[in-house]
Amino acid sequence: DAKTTQPPSMDCAEGRAANLPCNHSTISGNEYVYWYRQIHSQGPQYIIHGLKNNETNEMASLIITEDRKSSTLILPHATLRDTAVYYCIVRVLENAGNMLTFGGGTRLMVKP
Amino acid sequence: GAVVSQHPSRVICKSGTSVKIECRSLDFQATTMFWYRQFPKQSLMLMATSNEGSKATYEQGVEKDKFLINHASLTLSTLTVTSAHPEDSSFYICSASNGGDTGELFFGEGSRLTVL
Repeated sequence: DAKTTQPPSMDCAEGRAANLPCNHSTISGNEYVYWYRQIHSQGPQYIIHGLKNNETNEMASLIITEDRKSSTLILPHATLRDTAVYYCIVRVLENAGNMLTFGGGTRLMVKP
Repeated sequence: GAVVSQHPSRVICKSGTSVKIECRSLDFQATTMFWYRQFPKQSLMLMATSNEGSKATYEQGVEKDKFLINHASLTLSTLTVTSAHPEDSSFYICSASNGGDTGELFFGEGSRLTVL
């Protein structure tokens, strides 16, 4: 699976949009971009994933550049409960499920 | 959505004892489950892949005789830390896929092991 690069930490004001970048310049054509987050002392939680089109769900939006070498996760109105480590992972989609390789992630601190 | 549950969530044990952690898929069957370990302020590291009805596959550097994995049914995998030592103190997390077309993995709540 392709490697990803994320900033180690970011701050965001409560109520503002949080934009978390991820570089994946070696992504291959059949690899998806997944985002998970881990709130302190909990298991990771799935947020969103995409291949090349922008995606949106009730939690977040995922913007993937046209060349697919980078992406941005957007939390439109960050709350204090969004404080967590966010992991960007690229991997091939398999129906049977495949393990995830976690990088360092971005520690997002939402401040009042 | 699919739910994965771990038990216990916290366990404290004496050095030299063995500890068993259970991972259950509550509303789906999982032929494969994954066990991760996470030390403080570090990322999750895959320890092993648990396969129902067969032997687990361990990552390099993970001792299979120390971390015993049993996946006896499609909804239960267990991780036993044998002869635990303080350096085994960590956050252990399991995950599983329900085989859906999203490729999403579902994670348990994690089990925090403290070895005294």
